[in-house]
Parts: sequence; structure tokens; C-alpha cells
Amino acid sequence: RKEVEQDPGPFNVPEGATVAFNCTYSNSASQSFFWYRQDCRKEPKLLMSVYSSGNEDGRFTAQLNRASQYISLLIRDSKLSDSATYLCVVNPVTASKLTFGTGTRLQVTL
Amino acid sequence: DTAVSQTPKYLVTQMGNDKSIKCEQNLGHDTMYWYKQDSKKFLKIMFSYNNKELIINETVPNRFSPKSPDKAHLNLHINSLELGDSAVYFCASSPLSGNTIYFGEGSWLTVV
Repeated sequence: RKEVEQDPGPFNVPEGATVAFNCTYSNSASQSFFWYRQDCRKEPKLLMSVYSSGNEDGRFTAQLNRASQYISLLIRDSKLSDSATYLCVVNPVTASKLTFGTGTRLQVTL
Repeated sequence: DTAVSQTPKYLVTQMGNDKSIKCEQNLGHDTMYWYKQDSKKFLKIMFSYNNKELIINETVPNRFSPKSPDKAHLNLHINSLELGDSAVYFCASSPLSGNTIYFGEGSWLTVV
């Protein structure tokens, strides 16, 4: 089993739609969790951290389910500019070794 | 000012050559990394340095040799390049906690 697994997509959604991505991780002792965004031919950038209680940043909501070992990202009112690959990232017990999922590609269309 | 800068951005070279990629960060971070992103977009850590000390060395051929002259620089030297080395190499840095990583723009290496 991969350490971090994501559905690669692509998810093709119209503008204004709500879309959700899930990600599962294998190490139950993982300490921290993040979503990164990577645009085509660009570097990954931190989108948001994921906290146990769930957290929201504008149109983006991240949630963590430790019991089932998955995290989710919900994007409301999708914009064309949201088109990118969303990387699920997990920090296992060993510090300084973030583990990246292969990413879920989102394409928002008119 | 670019926080994590790496050069060159594009590199096309022949098999068997030796090449280097340089990286510098001006964020004052203690930890620096090299990641490799292959054609399937899988981003995998290669090396991690903390204050010039190697702390993570994943299963990487010994043709790849990182060098950290100081905590703001982490260079990657590759000997005897092979076709399979073609990928995007990202340098990154983070505070000691390692929870938020800042990436450079990537170096697109093509071996022909």
C-alpha cells in the first residue's frame, strides 16, 4: 500500500461547482497533514494545513479523519483559476520527511 | 526576491555527462531538500540536509551527490547521467520543524 494515495482524476467540473478530493494515508502515527497546489510546470505551493478539528480558508475546507486515516479537501464555487493538481501531503513520525501523494488534477471549465 | 532559487531552470545534456544544479534559499531556514518529480508527476524526496548535515538519504544511486557548503545552499551533482534521470528536480527548504516546505521553481533535466 502506498504511503499516501489519491485519485489522480482528472476531475472536470463547471465553474461554480463544488468538488471534493479525498486522500488516504497508511501510517497511523502520522503527525501533520497538508494540501499543496501545483500548477502546470510550476512548483508545489502550500494551500492549507489540515487540522484535526477541520479548517476553512475562504472557499476551501479541509478535514481530517484519523480513525479512517483520510483527509479531504472541499472546494466551493469553483473558479477557472482553481484548475491545478492538488497534492495531499503527510508528515510521518520522522521529521523533515513530508510524503506527497501523486496528486489529483482538477480542471474547471466554463 | 525569490525565496528558493535554483539554477539552471532547463538543462539538456547527453548520457554519460556530469552536471550540477545549484540551490540557494534566503528564508533563513535550517533544512533543505532535493525532490525529484518524474514523468508520472510523483514527487519523491531524495535528500534532506539540516544545517549542512545530511539527515535523509533515500534510495538514490550514488551517482547523485548533494553538497551543502552552508545552510543556505544545497547543490546537487549528478555523475554519468542516464536517460532515466530525466525529470524535474525541485530544491526546497523548511524551518526545522519541517512542516511547511517552500519549493524552488524546479530544474527540468532532459538526458538524451
